[in-house]
Amino acid sequence: EAGVAQSPRYKIIEKRQSVAFWCNPISGHATLYWYQQILGQGPKLLIQFQNNGVVDDSQLPKDRFSAERLKGVDSTLKIQPAKLEDSAVYLCASSRWSNQPQHFGDGTRLSIL
Amino acid sequence: SQELEQSPQSLIVQEGKNLTINCTSSKTLYGLYWYKQKYGEGLIFLMMLQKGGEEKSHEKITAKLDEKKQQSSLHITASQPSHAGIYLCGADVNFGNEKLTFGTGTRLTIIP
Repeated sequence: EAGVAQSPRYKIIEKRQSVAFWCNPISGHATLYWYQQILGQGPKLLIQFQNNGVVDDSQLPKDRFSAERLKGVDSTLKIQPAKLEDSAVYLCASSRWSNQPQHFGDGTRLSIL
Repeated sequence: SQELEQSPQSLIVQEGKNLTINCTSSKTLYGLYWYKQKYGEGLIFLMMLQKGGEEKSHEKITAKLDEKKQQSSLHITASQPSHAGIYLCGADVNFGNEKLTFGTGTRLTIIP
């Protein structure tokens, strides 16, 4: 089966600009996750969707980050405006249900100048 | 404070040698997952452990969850260059919310 697809792989922007990431989960996976991984750290969950509904967004900085999964399949994560501390790899993962192993995409490496 | 502690932070092992990586929590682990990550890539799922005392193996990698469900170990037998990478443990440390908390990872280097 095809894995989790993410784009773009790399993005360089200046602070205060906006950026968007896209994720296509594994077909049939109801649960979708966005993680932020700062260099040298483990991934930190930003938001979890079950189909098109938000299950957990407690660690999402809502003043600048937003995410949607309108049709319960693809998802986008947006940052507006970006700060220097947002430099990280943004990982998307999906699982068949929320208590099943998560399968990760290759991530988007974001650099803020 | 980090809810999941991994040790060691880095490990350099000669090819063919065995090694063990540990993942420890002060809380009960309701589902423990081991992943491997190569630089610039996503996480690759290795194994999931849920029951106290559970042990699983895949090829030369064995993972165990202790009886108290607060510590897990990952053991690699006869290491190969393909085992090099960062090993991450992730766990549900708050029963019921099914949200994974990850450790900071163990960087494994295999030398010929």
